[in-house]
Amino acid sequence: QPVLTQPPSSSASPGESARLTCTLSSDFSVNDYNMYWYQQKPGSPPTYLLFYFSDSDEGRGSGVPSRFSGSKDPSANAAILLISGLQPEDEADYYCFFWPSNVAVFGGGTRLTV
Amino acid sequence: QVQLVESGGGVVQPGRSLRLSCAASGFTFQTFATHWVRQAPGAGLEWVAVISYDGNRIYYADSVKGRFTISRDNSNNTLYLQMNSLRPDDTAVYYCAKDAAKYFDHLDFWGQGALVIVSS
Repeated sequence: QPVLTQPPSSSASPGESARLTCTLSSDFSVNDYNMYWYQQKPGSPPTYLLFYFSDSDEGRGSGVPSRFSGSKDPSANAAILLISGLQPEDEADYYCFFWPSNVAVFGGGTRLTV
Repeated sequence: QVQLVESGGGVVQPGRSLRLSCAASGFTFQTFATHWVRQAPGAGLEWVAVISYDGNRIYYADSVKGRFTISRDNSNNTLYLQMNSLRPDDTAVYYCAKDAAKYFDHLDFWGQGALVIVSS
């Protein structure tokens, strides 16, 4: 059963950058998959942020600021969400997501405090 | 604009059944796959099931396989989730979500959710 592991919490100050990680279970290589990221604020449904496969194959959802970007760290078998120029409204839960087969998987989520 | 409106949630006893509906508008429903995702109180997101644009490909999470059935009515722009043999750990907000593709790519729009409480 594929697993995505995210640290439960992270914090950073306004104007700083936040680097959120999502580690794939060892049976799955991050290099092989599109990795997706979602944002959820309290009392609201999740919203789609972006996907990242490689530097030449990535994209943000409609209206998502360029402050949000994705990358991968193959040495850690992890996907990364980078949020630069943090703003107070970026305080939310962030979930990674992927399709390893015919079953989709969400990570456990990281609560970002700004 | 894309709208997904879930209905049918409520309180149900363990072992009983419930059917959720999701009314879609603002896009060509019959050309996109659609999903159900749930979120237990205070917990993270759990993907539940997906159905392709034409209903011919369906996949479930292991936690609901054999108990839940996803279906769609393209003529009425509606997605369904039939939930049988409900258990207390099925208690969650159930979200309907549109995929970005005919088959399976990513969930790009979500409804507001319907709360299901399984309790005696």
